[in-house]
Amino acid sequence: EIVMTQSPATLSVSPGERATLSCRASQSVSSNLAWYQQKPGQAPRLLIYGASTRATGIPARFSGSGSGTEFTLTISSLQSEDFAVYYCQQYNNWPPNTFGQGTKLEIK
Amino acid sequence: EVQLVESGGGLVQPGRSLRLSCAASGFTFDDYAMHWVRQAPGKGLEWVSGISWNSGSIGYADSVKGRFTISRDNAKNSLYLQMNSLRAEDTALYYCAKGTGLTVTRPFDYWGQGTLVTVSS
Repeated sequence: EIVMTQSPATLSVSPGERATLSCRASQSVSSNLAWYQQKPGQAPRLLIYGASTRATGIPARFSGSGSGTEFTLTISSLQSEDFAVYYCQQYNNWPPNTFGQGTKLEIK
Repeated sequence: EVQLVESGGGLVQPGRSLRLSCAASGFTFDDYAMHWVRQAPGKGLEWVSGISWNSGSIGYADSVKGRFTISRDNAKNSLYLQMNSLRAEDTALYYCAKGTGLTVTRPFDYWGQGTLVTVSS
């Protein structure tokens, strides 16, 4: 089973600044990596798939990069609505479709 | 508009069974794989099970293998999760999620609001 490890567990950033979140796979998942955003009391929302393709309706300030085992989600200029928990997920090796443990992005 | 509505959750004693349902609308159900994902209180996301468009590919997390069974009825636009031999550690909010294609090796683009399963005596 592929293990997905996200870092840091919590990231404190000021509004307007850039946030960089990391996700590492225990073995290569090619570009079969997705990012989700989850706000309190809400279901997750797909942000990025294929490591770097924004899902429908996702603002351009969200970008993804990486391939193989190292991936990054960057939010270029944080808005108040971006403070949430972010999860990466691999869907290259199935089952299972493994999620990372999440990174909580909080207001500094 | 895509809608996924889960039902069937509740309070159940350890060792008992529960069947979750997910009613889908707003898209051609039999064109997409479907999944169940759970989230224990205050914890992260855990993929539970997935099923391809024609039920030809089915998979389970090790934590539920042999106890849970996923199925779908394309004529009724519905997804199911039969949960047997429930344990306290199965307590979670269970989400139904739509894949982005026919096969299970795709991300999830729509999620329901979840149904809460509590396993306790």
